[in-house]
Amino acid sequence: EVQLVESGGGLVQPGGSLRLSCAASGFTFSSYAMHWVRQAPGKGLEYVSAISSNGGSTYYANSVKGRFTISRDNSKNTLYLQMGSLRAEDMAVYYCAREGYYYGSGSYYFSFDYWGQGTLVTVSS
Amino acid sequence: DIQMTQSPSSLSASVGDRVTITCRASQSISSYLNWYQQKPGKAPKLLIYAASSLQSGVPSRFSGSGSGTDFTLTISSLQPEDFATYYCQQSYSTSYMYTFGQGTKLEIK
Repeated sequence: EVQLVESGGGLVQPGGSLRLSCAASGFTFSSYAMHWVRQAPGKGLEYVSAISSNGGSTYYANSVKGRFTISRDNSKNTLYLQMGSLRAEDMAVYYCAREGYYYGSGSYYFSFDYWGQGTLVTVSS
Repeated sequence: DIQMTQSPSSLSASVGDRVTITCRASQSISSYLNWYQQKPGKAPKLLIYAASSLQSGVPSRFSGSGSGTDFTLTISSLQPEDFATYYCQQSYSTSYMYTFGQGTKLEIK
């Protein structure tokens, strides 16, 4: 059974740092790109960051670029999100998600087929 | 960046109704469109991928259609467990920027 379990959320002061982890099991972690998505209280889903299966490529939304760093340890089946210079607007539930793929009609199609339960990050003084 | 716009933002319907939610992309995304369902306090759940393919385990009353810029999610006969928020997502971008629509909240009438 595929499982993604986030941890590391909590209360942090503005300007502070926090590292989120996402422990994966039930699949070959090193074969899949992974993503972080967040959801502020009462708001919609916001794409945050992505990392390729081998860690060689990363992407960040403009809202977190330069402040957040995504990484992975394929030997530990774990995804990370290092968050720095945290702001009130970073307060959200952070989800990790696996990028599943499907091959059809001559193309690969991608989706987030498994999600963790989420971890809450609260930014407040 | 590709922008995704859903309509309506909220919708009231009754059990047994047929419901359609629309998603429009700011540029052509072929069939690189996914639909998710989210219930309060829970993670999103994949319903439809590649615009019209039903994810394993998802009831057949859910269907997706469209290509290019215009897409629809249809629930043929609403069940009590279907009242939730629905999001579309494009996966066309080559830079992993798989943006979401703003969501459609489906409520009981």
